[in-house]
Amino acid sequence: AQTVTQSQPEMSVQEAETVTLSCTYDTSESDYYLFWYKQPPSRQMILVIRQEAYKQQNATENRFSVNFQKAAKSFSLKISDSQLGDAAMYFCAYRRTGNKGAQKLVFGQGTRLTINP
Amino acid sequence: DTAVSQTPKYLVTQMGNDKSIKCEQNLGHDTMYWYKQDSKKFLKIMFSYNNKELIINETVPNRFSPKSPDKAHLNLHINSLELGDSAVYFCASSQVATGREAFFGQGTRLTVV
Repeated sequence: AQTVTQSQPEMSVQEAETVTLSCTYDTSESDYYLFWYKQPPSRQMILVIRQEAYKQQNATENRFSVNFQKAAKSFSLKISDSQLGDAAMYFCAYRRTGNKGAQKLVFGQGTRLTINP
Repeated sequence: DTAVSQTPKYLVTQMGNDKSIKCEQNLGHDTMYWYKQDSKKFLKIMFSYNNKELIINETVPNRFSPKSPDKAHLNLHINSLELGDSAVYFCASSQVATGREAFFGQGTRLTVV
C-alpha cells in the first residue's frame, strides 16, 4: 500500500522568508501524481501545486515550487516570500494513475505552517 | 458559483441518532468521494463513486452508507451515531481520465454528543 510521510508536524517562518516543507512517499508504481494541498483555518482544502511523476521538471506556481526527487521518493514544497496568508496546514498527497479504483488520494499527516510577522 | 458544495457545514447531534450529509458538484466530474478528517487532522478516504457505481469502500463501518442518485450528487447517511464519529467529513470530486486534482467541498464538522 502506498504511504505518505510528512515528518515536520509544525514549521514556522518569518514573513518574506523562504520555507521548505518535506514529504516522502512509498510506492511501487512508476506513474502517479503528487499534490500539495493547503487547509487554512476556514477548513477548505485548496490545491497548491501538482506534479506528474513522468515529468522531470519541477512544478512551479508563482511563489510555490516543488523539489521532486523520484528516485528518493521525495516531494518537498518551497514557499518563497512567505506571506501571512500562507499560514495553514499543508498536506502532501499521492494518487496512482489508472482507472477508477486508483483515484483515491493518500495523504500525509500534515504540517502546520505559522508565519511570524 | 461553488464547485463542490456540502450541506450542512456544521452538525451537532446526540448519540444514537441518524443523520445525512449532502454533496453536489457542478464540475461535470465522473467521480465523487467522501473523506474523513479526524481530530488529529488526518485525512482518509471512505468511499468513492464513479458514474454512480461504488468503486472504493475503505473499511468503513456499515453504519455509514453512501448514496449516489446521479453523477452530480453523493450523499452520506450515518446510522446510530457514536462519539467516535465526530470528525470533519469532506466531499470531493474529480474527472478520472484527466488525472487532474480532486476538488473539495468546504467540509461538514460533525459533533456527536
